[in-house]
Amino acid sequence: NAGVTQTPKFQVLKTGQSMTLQCAQDMNHEYMSWYRQDPGMGLRLIHYSVGAGITDQGEVPNGYNVSRSTTEDFPLRLLSAAPSQTSVYFCASSSSPVSSYNEQFFGPGTRLTVL
Amino acid sequence: GQQVMQIPQYQHVQEGEDFTTYCNSSTTLSNIQWYKQRPGGHPVFLIQLVKSGEVKKQKRLTFQFGEAKKNSSLHITATQTTDVGTYFCAGPHKNSNYQLIWGAGTKLIIKP
Repeated sequence: NAGVTQTPKFQVLKTGQSMTLQCAQDMNHEYMSWYRQDPGMGLRLIHYSVGAGITDQGEVPNGYNVSRSTTEDFPLRLLSAAPSQTSVYFCASSSSPVSSYNEQFFGPGTRLTVL
Repeated sequence: GQQVMQIPQYQHVQEGEDFTTYCNSSTTLSNIQWYKQRPGGHPVFLIQLVKSGEVKKQKRLTFQFGEAKKNSSLHITATQTTDVGTYFCAGPHKNSNYQLIWGAGTKLIIKP
């Protein structure tokens, strides 16, 4: 099992460029999430999905889009990159909602810099 | 809005000393989770506490969930270099089955 994989590991963008961060998991988990991590702050939820075809906004969704066409994949799209989106992005998956037993498995992260 | 406060932000200890981080929620939590993130790494699940007053141990790590289910702590006895990293607590959003609210983390630093 590869667990949760993310690509790329590092990315530098110019303001206004768009890109897609890839996330895949091979554990057949229904629940997947995208977080951003900024210095001195905890993880903040961007978008999440409770199954293929079902997504919803988290705490900081502006400037990001997601889709979930398969159980395995959950890409995050930056529509028009801004310096405020410079961050480390983590994808996570779990087999159950947070209200029950909920071990979240994280990918290795993507370090994004927007110039 | 709902908040999870975690203190201290940093703790410097000599190897062999103890370490404690505290987590306080603005609302009652159905459960609380703890994660460890090594420098340059990703968060790794440590444990989930569910019951009021629950205490769980993992070797040198002791986790507690308060009686009111609004606070929690992680205590490490006799720290080792392998304990270095940032420890986060997280609890479910009161209005969602799918969202976690995270503390800002406590960074454990071993003095040279």
